[in-house]
Amino acid sequence: AQSVTQLDSQVPVFEEAPVELRCNYSSSVSVYLFWYVQYPNQGLQLLLKYLSGSTLVKGINGFEAEFNKSQTSFHLRKPSVHISDTAEYFCAVSEWGTSYGKLTFGQGTILTVHP
Amino acid sequence: NAGVTQTPKFRVLKTGQSMTLLCAQDMNHEYMYWYRQDPGMGLRLIHYSVGEGTTAKGEVPDGYNVSRLKKQNFLLGLESAAPSQTSVYFCASSLGLAASTDTQYFGPGTRLTVL
Repeated sequence: AQSVTQLDSQVPVFEEAPVELRCNYSSSVSVYLFWYVQYPNQGLQLLLKYLSGSTLVKGINGFEAEFNKSQTSFHLRKPSVHISDTAEYFCAVSEWGTSYGKLTFGQGTILTVHP
Repeated sequence: NAGVTQTPKFRVLKTGQSMTLLCAQDMNHEYMYWYRQDPGMGLRLIHYSVGEGTTAKGEVPDGYNVSRLKKQNFLLGLESAAPSQTSVYFCASSLGLAASTDTQYFGPGTRLTVL
């Protein structure tokens, strides 16, 4: 069974500073990796996903993530954050060959951007 | 397109009462999912459906039932609500062509409190 650990429950940062949200996973088979964002009082929306190929994945709103197979990590980064990036971020994995798209989510990281 | 919509947005129940949450999608997606979100636990899958007339159990199905009589609708029922079912409930849908890699599209959520 796969599992996902987001290493920080809360990350406070000042506007225009860089940020990294950390995600580690474990699985006995190959996985696909996702980052979703949840803005206050809204549902989740996809930021980016890694399926195959280049380990650096670019997503919406200037976010990017790097897949590191040896460290089983998929950390999310942004070089300069805005107030509007304040949200909760979820890392998720699905296993190769799953018949119904089972996603296993991490616990979430609340990013708070201060002016 | 409205995407994924959920009804109601908020609800307060007394222990033992029943209710049904409605999810509707207008994207002609095959797969639909019900999740619950609890603080510090991410999202956990309750039930899912891979097509009209089909349903299956997810990670935490106890105390819930579902039905998918029409492709666009996925209903989640609580027959006898318990305080442990206080949570935020999210519906999601996906295309269903490549289950493991499909993006899931989420509704805005239903906040349920059971007293």
